[in-house]
Amino acid sequence: GQQVMQIPQYQHVQEGEDFTTYCNSSTTLSNIQWYKQRPGGHPVFLIQLVKSGEVKKQKRLTFQFGEAKKNSSLHITATQTTDVGTYFCAGPENTDKLIFGTGTRLQVFP
Amino acid sequence: EAGVTQSPTHLIKTRGQQATLRCSPISGHTSVYWYQQALGLGLQFLLWYDEGEERNRGNFPPRFSGRQFPNYSSELNVNALELEDSALYLCASSRDRATVYEQYFGPGTRLTVT
Repeated sequence: GQQVMQIPQYQHVQEGEDFTTYCNSSTTLSNIQWYKQRPGGHPVFLIQLVKSGEVKKQKRLTFQFGEAKKNSSLHITATQTTDVGTYFCAGPENTDKLIFGTGTRLQVFP
Repeated sequence: EAGVTQSPTHLIKTRGQQATLRCSPISGHTSVYWYQQALGLGLQFLLWYDEGEERNRGNFPPRFSGRQFPNYSSELNVNALELEDSALYLCASSRDRATVYEQYFGPGTRLTVT
């Protein structure tokens, strides 16, 4: 079946440093979603990317969808302690369910 | 607008028992999804209900079942509980079948099987 992998699994950064997580799918995706889960919390929808090569920004977060629509990245500029959490990408399998990536846990040290 | 709600927050059961978890979607949402998240791991898709019907299920044994009520709330039942069923069970909703990709999650039910 379809697999969605993320690297790295964990990332520890100093506050103010940048952070990037990469998402790779075994199949071409029609779209990709990103979610954030704070420690002890539940996943929160961040964004959806649909077009090949699409880039979207949300303040310090930059999301990119690969040209081949099999990979995506989330880049955070100048991390803050509020960025702590696990970031998941998710891609559709057929049209009726989401396959979540393995997640990248971000820890930010003040 | 109220978000997705789940009950109970925590549930402790012994092996072999049955557990029932409940979810109320955002008002106006017709699709409900259930996920299992074992400690420190990712989300595993369990079940999808829309308009009262089961639309899809993940790779879980039949003892995981559920239903969706006419008011679109949903129930997840886990029979013959096993220790490895201990996990956070998350419910999510989306507006309808066409918006399966934008899901809003509830706070989850932490199930502990002893």
